[in-house]
Amino acid sequence: QLQLQESGPGLVKPSETLALTCTVSGGSISSSSPYWGWIRQSPGKGLEWIGSMYYSGSTYLNPSLKSRVTISIEKSKNQFSLRLTSVTAADTAVYYCARFTGAAVVSWGQGTLVTVSS
Amino acid sequence: EIVLTQSPGTLSLSPGERATLSCRASQSVSTNYLAWYQQRPGQAPRLLIYASSSRATGIPDRFSGSGSGTDFTLTISRLEPEDFAVYYCQHYGASVYTFGPGTKLEIK
Repeated sequence: QLQLQESGPGLVKPSETLALTCTVSGGSISSSSPYWGWIRQSPGKGLEWIGSMYYSGSTYLNPSLKSRVTISIEKSKNQFSLRLTSVTAADTAVYYCARFTGAAVVSWGQGTLVTVSS
Repeated sequence: EIVLTQSPGTLSLSPGERATLSCRASQSVSTNYLAWYQQRPGQAPRLLIYASSSRATGIPDRFSGSGSGTDFTLTISRLEPEDFAVYYCQHYGASVYTFGPGTKLEIK
């Protein structure tokens, strides 16, 4: 069964770059699904899609975050990553890595809390 | 940009009762691109329904989805204790995924 696990710093300073990695186990990132990506949830709030990437490299990003977001895939490590630049307190959230079909999110990581604070 | 609205914000019911949750889109959407998720406290969301009415793998048949155009419904026929959670609808279109604000289903 496919599993996803997020990893990365739990605390990031304002104006710095948030960097997270998702490790996929139980299947190949190159063959298991059309899209891989990230979703976040601010404390006590709803869900916000950050972006998705096809394993071949095509990337689709939330327009509200597009200028600050990079998603990349490391096929040899069965991982994909998120970079979010110039973070502020508004970026404090639980970040989920996810596997998408064309229209829905079929698998989620357990989530990792990232706090932006000095 | 499609905006999803969910109602009610909070729904208070008892185990065994029927729950009806609503999701309204700001413009007509394809039934193929509307999904529902359940999120229990401290857990990641999980997919319940995709393509408006298809149950995801392992989802009990007490969960059903329906609707078309701008109005969609998630129905839980007989509430079990583990069903009390937050439910989100989600739309996919133009390479963008949009979530509704959620409905909290609480025990009365």
